[in-house]
Amino acid sequence: EIVLTQSPATLSLSPGERATLSCRASQSINRYLAWYQQRPGQAPSLLIYDASNRAPGIPARFSGSGSGTDFTLTISSLEPEDFAVYYCQQRSNWPKTFGQGTKLEIK
Amino acid sequence: EVQLVESGGGLVQPGGSLRVSCVASGFPISNYWMGWVRQAPGKGLEWVAHINRDGTEENYVDSVRGRFTISRDNARNSLWLQMNSLRVEDTAVYYCVRDSGPFQFDHWGQGTLVTVSS
Repeated sequence: EIVLTQSPATLSLSPGERATLSCRASQSINRYLAWYQQRPGQAPSLLIYDASNRAPGIPARFSGSGSGTDFTLTISSLEPEDFAVYYCQQRSNWPKTFGQGTKLEIK
Repeated sequence: EVQLVESGGGLVQPGGSLRVSCVASGFPISNYWMGWVRQAPGKGLEWVAHINRDGTEENYVDSVRGRFTISRDNARNSLWLQMNSLRVEDTAVYYCVRDSGPFQFDHWGQGTLVTVSS
């Protein structure tokens, strides 16, 4: 099973700042990585697929990068609605696994 | 507008059974793989099961294989998860997901809570 390790567990930033979230895979997953956002009390929603492609309707301030084992989600300038939990997910191998999440909180 | 609406969650004793349902609207599920993802209270996400477009191929996470069965009816635009031999550790919100991928979950329902407790 591929283990996805997200860091940091919690990130405290202010609106307008830049956020950088990391996801590391226990073995190479090519570019088969997605990012999801989960706001409190809501279902997750797809942000990024295949490492760097924004899902329809996702603002340009969200970007993804990486390949192999190391991936990054960057939010260029935080808006109030961006404070949420973010999960990465791999679709390279069985079973399809998620990271444990990074909570982005207001400083 | 794409919508996925789950129902059927509730409280069940260990060893019991429950069937959760998902009704889709705004798109024909016949064009998509569909699946279930769960989230234990205060925890992260776990992919549970997946089914192909015509229902001839199913996949499960090891922890539920042999106990859970995913099924679909394209004519009714509906998806189900039959859960048998439930365990306390199956307690979670179960989300119905549309797969635009493979295994890229582009739409999620609001979830239905399944609680396994005596």
